[in-house]
Amino acid sequence: DAKTTQPNSMESNEEEPVHLPCNHSTISGTDYIHWYRQLPSQGPEYVIHGLTSNVNNRMASLAIAEDRKSSTLILHRATLRDAAVYYCILRDPISSGSARQLTFGSGTQLTVLP
Amino acid sequence: EPEVTQTPSHQVTQMGQEVILRCVPISNHLYFYWYRQILGQKVEFLVSFYNNEISEKSEIFDDQFSVERPDGSNFTLKIRSTKLEDSAMYFCASSEDGQGIILGQGNTIYFGEGSWLTVV
Repeated sequence: DAKTTQPNSMESNEEEPVHLPCNHSTISGTDYIHWYRQLPSQGPEYVIHGLTSNVNNRMASLAIAEDRKSSTLILHRATLRDAAVYYCILRDPISSGSARQLTFGSGTQLTVLP
Repeated sequence: EPEVTQTPSHQVTQMGQEVILRCVPISNHLYFYWYRQILGQKVEFLVSFYNNEISEKSEIFDDQFSVERPDGSNFTLKIRSTKLEDSAMYFCASSEDGQGIILGQGNTIYFGEGSWLTVV
């Protein structure tokens, strides 16, 4: 299984940009890079996903390295409500079995300081 | 915005009792999932369900567990005889597509707020 590596924790100041890194050196050609987050006492929440090109949505931006072995989730202006565990997950939607499911790691605990 | 809803939000049960956790997935979604998270641990996949049958399940999903879609809207997880180690937050989820047929947003999995199960 392709796996991801994330820092255990990061801190950011409110209203500053946050760059959350993820390494996935064994990524396969059909793996999508998904980011989910889990706010305290809530279910995981979809943030963004991409395959090769950088992606933007209302929540965040996803910057994907040219070799796809790493990616960075960018929160442009962190708010206190962005404090959560952020998960970087590889998912191959056309595979069979467990590779098609979301496999959560430990993620990065983001603390936003006022 | 459509959302996955779960009931109950919290249930306390005695060891050995049967528990049913209920979920209403997003209405046009075709794939349904249960995940669980033991306190302080990772979110773990239990089972996925499509076209009225289980499509995949993990090692955790043993004979004590079953899932059902009894009508057009509900999706349930039954634990037949609860054990202390079943205490966890159980998350229901759904997606429009699970087969990768629809690229992009169709593969997004939407989670409910969870049902916290305490077995005593």
